[in-house]
Amino acid sequence: KAGVTQTPRYLIKTRGQQVTLSCSPISGHRSVSWYQQTPGQGLQFLFEYFSETQRNKGNFPGRFSGRQFSNSRSEMNVSTLELGDSALYLCASSPRDLGGAAKNIQYFGAGTRLSVL
Amino acid sequence: SQQGEEDPQALSIQEGENATMNCSYKTSINNLQWYRQNSGRGLVHLILIRSNEREKHSGRLRVTLDTSKKSSSLLITASRAADTASYFCATDAGGSSNTGKLIFGQGTTLQVKP
Repeated sequence: KAGVTQTPRYLIKTRGQQVTLSCSPISGHRSVSWYQQTPGQGLQFLFEYFSETQRNKGNFPGRFSGRQFSNSRSEMNVSTLELGDSALYLCASSPRDLGGAAKNIQYFGAGTRLSVL
Repeated sequence: SQQGEEDPQALSIQEGENATMNCSYKTSINNLQWYRQNSGRGLVHLILIRSNEREKHSGRLRVTLDTSKKSSSLLITASRAADTASYFCATDAGGSSNTGKLIFGQGTTLQVKP
C-alpha cells in the first residue's frame, strides 16, 4: 500500500495570506489526524477527522480548520497567516476500524513545511 | 501542556552502545507508543505498549511501562549510525481509546557516532 501523502512539501507565504494543505491517507484508513510541529512547542494535535466528521480538536484558534472528503482525503486550512504559524504540519492516518490497540497506531506523512514571511 | 516529558533531551553515544530514553506522562492512559523522526521528516511508529503490559520487545528495541510512576523507557541495544534520529513517546488522551489524538513528549535527540 502507498503511504500517507502530503502536498505540497514546502510552502512559503506572507502574513495575512491563507494556505491549504492536503493529505491522502493510506488506502482503507478512515481516520486522519493533523499535527503542528515547532521547535518551541513540539508536536501539537490540531484535529482529527473520521468519516468526514471532525471528532477531536486541539487548542488552536479558529483560523485553523479542516475537512475530510468521502474518499478520506483531508485538507487543512489556515487563514490570516501569522509568523508563528511557521511550522512542519504533519498528517497521520490510522485504521480506526481495527479492534484492539492497533487502531491507535498512526502512520505519518513526510509533512508540509510552511514558512510565513 | 504536553502529556509526555522526555529525558534526556539529547544523547550522544558510540555505535554498538546501548541508548536509553525515558518518558513521563501525567494522566491515565490506555497505551503508550514510541515514534522515531529523522531530521524534520514524518514520524515512524516503533512500538506500542498497552497499559496492562510492563515490558515489550521488538528487535533491538525494549520498552518498559510503569503505570504507577507514569513513566516509560525505550532501550535501543547495539545502536547503529542509522539509529540517529529524534525519538518521541506518545500517549492517547486517556478515557476512551477511540480517539485519533496523540499527545507527544518533547522528544530525545539521539546521535550515534560511527
